[in-house]
Amino acid sequence: AQSVTQLDSQVPVFEEAPVELRCNYSSSVSVYLFWYVQYPNQGLQLLLKYLSGSTLVESINGFEAEFNKSQTSFHLRKPSVHISDTAEYFCAVSVCDRGSTLGRLYFGRGTQLTVWP
Amino acid sequence: GAVVSQHPSWVICKSGTSVKIECRSLDFQATTMFWYRQFPKQSLMLMATSNEGSKATYEQGVEKDKFLINHASLTLSTLTVTSAHPEDSSFYICTIHELRSADYNSPLHFGNGTRLTVT
Repeated sequence: AQSVTQLDSQVPVFEEAPVELRCNYSSSVSVYLFWYVQYPNQGLQLLLKYLSGSTLVESINGFEAEFNKSQTSFHLRKPSVHISDTAEYFCAVSVCDRGSTLGRLYFGRGTQLTVWP
Repeated sequence: GAVVSQHPSWVICKSGTSVKIECRSLDFQATTMFWYRQFPKQSLMLMATSNEGSKATYEQGVEKDKFLINHASLTLSTLTVTSAHPEDSSFYICTIHELRSADYNSPLHFGNGTRLTVT
């Protein structure tokens, strides 16, 4: 099975500060990578994903993540956060080979991002 | 609106009883659904892949006789926690991959989860 490591369980930052949420995975094969966000009292929502092509992917609300194959990382960044970004963020990995079932994800333990005014 | 309906949203039961959780696809047919479990302060852990019309595929370490999965139709998968014990208390989530095409550009939809507490 794959493993996904999110080293930081809690990240507190002030509004308009930059933030990076770290994600590392262990896999010897090609993977698809995802970041999901869970706002308070809501379900998980897809934030962004890397499938192929450009290693830098962006979301519509200013987040970006860069796939680094050599470091097996997919860190999430935002140059200036808002209070509304306060949520739990989950990194997830799926193996992309013929034997894998699409949609079968392995999640990190999550990082709680809290943005203070 | 919601694409995946998961019920119940929370349940409290006594040790030894069985609990059934339903996951329904509201807008499309789903041949494959996934069941996850999340303990407090931990990640979502994939338990099993539910396959319509065939046996579920369980992840290593997940007891198939303990967590019965039935996917009898293209819109419904059920997870039954049999003879539940306090250590089964957790948050159970189903997901459905909407396969518009055979790749990840199709969205993955999450149920809102079921909070199970076994006393």
